[in-house]
Formats: sequence, structure tokens, C-alpha cells
Amino acid sequence: GAGVSQSPSNKVTEKGKDVELRCDPISGHTALYWYRQSLGQGLEFLIYFQGNSAPDKSGLPSDRFSAERTGGSVSTLTIQRTQQEDSAVYLCASSPLRDIGEQYFGPGTRLTVT
Amino acid sequence: AQSVTQLGSHVSVSEGALVLLRCNYSSSVPPYLFWYVQYPNQGLQLLLKYTTGATLVKGINGFEAEFKKSETSFHLTKPSAHMSDAAEYFCAVSALNQAGTALIFGKGTTLSVSS
Repeated sequence: GAGVSQSPSNKVTEKGKDVELRCDPISGHTALYWYRQSLGQGLEFLIYFQGNSAPDKSGLPSDRFSAERTGGSVSTLTIQRTQQEDSAVYLCASSPLRDIGEQYFGPGTRLTVT
Repeated sequence: AQSVTQLGSHVSVSEGALVLLRCNYSSSVPPYLFWYVQYPNQGLQLLLKYTTGATLVKGINGFEAEFKKSETSFHLTKPSAHMSDAAEYFCAVSALNQAGTALIFGKGTTLSVSS
């Protein structure tokens, strides 16, 4: 079946602009995660959604970052007033509840803030 | 709290040689351990995972890893490297019995394979 998809694949934006990154998880997966991959920092957890529960936002680096998950499926990560240090690859992953810890990753969105 | 340390940000081997990528973890609860691989310009792909039971875990593409609780290690090995193994490898940990827990990743090890 279809894997996790993310759009856009690449995004270049000017400093100070807002951006929205989209993730379509695998159908039926109840858990959805956002990670950020940047040079020298590795993979950092940002936010986690599980079903209709309140999201775990403990990894968000600042209040400029937010995310929504509508209808338990598609998720949007929003970065407001982008800064150059936000430049990174943003990865989305989804997981079926029965497979504890095993996450299926999308190809990522490469964000460049100029 | 959990953490992962990958020793060596870059490992180079010759084709046919043993591959050994080191991973040590820290966890206050019994861990679930994972190795993911990322090929150039692609997303992360699960290589193998340890949850419970047998401590020697076999994964895809001939890789295996052994969970050693006494050493808090989960090193990844492959007896004979192939050119196609060149990629970045990430070790990760999550908490046992916590469904949906986010993964904590190491900083990654880039594997280069020369002919």
C-alpha cells in the first residue's frame, strides 16, 4: 500500500515568512510524529499525535512551531516567522498502535530559509 | 529519560569487510531498540528492532544486532559489506510498553564502502 507522503518535497522561504508542511500518514495508522533532521543535530522529535488524544508537544523548539491533525489523518506542521536556524529536513512518521515503536517515515520536506 | 550514543560519526570499510556500527543507550526502563537506515535523498527505513525475547536480532539486507543489557549496547553488524550498504545509519530507543512513544535517535553514523 501507499507509504507516508509529505509535501512539498522542497520549500525555500524568506526569513520572517510562515510555512506549512503537510503529512499524509499510512491509512489506519493511529500515531503520527514529526521530527526535524538538521546538520549536527541529528533527528529531533517535535510533536506526536495519538488518535484523538491531546498531542505531545514536548519537542517543539519554540512557540513559532505548531501542528494540527485533522480527522485523525492528515497533519500540518506550521512554522511562523521563520528563522534561518529553522532550515532542516522535516520528517513525518506514522505507526499502527500494535507495533510499539516501529515508525514508518515519509521522504521529508527540505526547508531552506534565506 | 532515555538517550542514545553512536560512537563514530563516520565509518569506512572495504567491500567484503565486516561492518560494525556502535550504539550505546541509556534508559531508566527496559528499552525498545531500533536501527534505521537512510539512503541518500530517501526517508528512513527500519533495518531491525529489539523488543523482548531473543537478544540477537536479524534484520534486512544481512544486518543483525545484539542487545547486551550488561553493556547497554545494541551494536549493528554485517559480516560482509556491499557497496549498496553505503548510507547513514541511526540507532534509536523508545520506552518499553509505551505505545506510540517517540523515538530518541542517535546522531547517526555514515557508512562508506570502498571497492
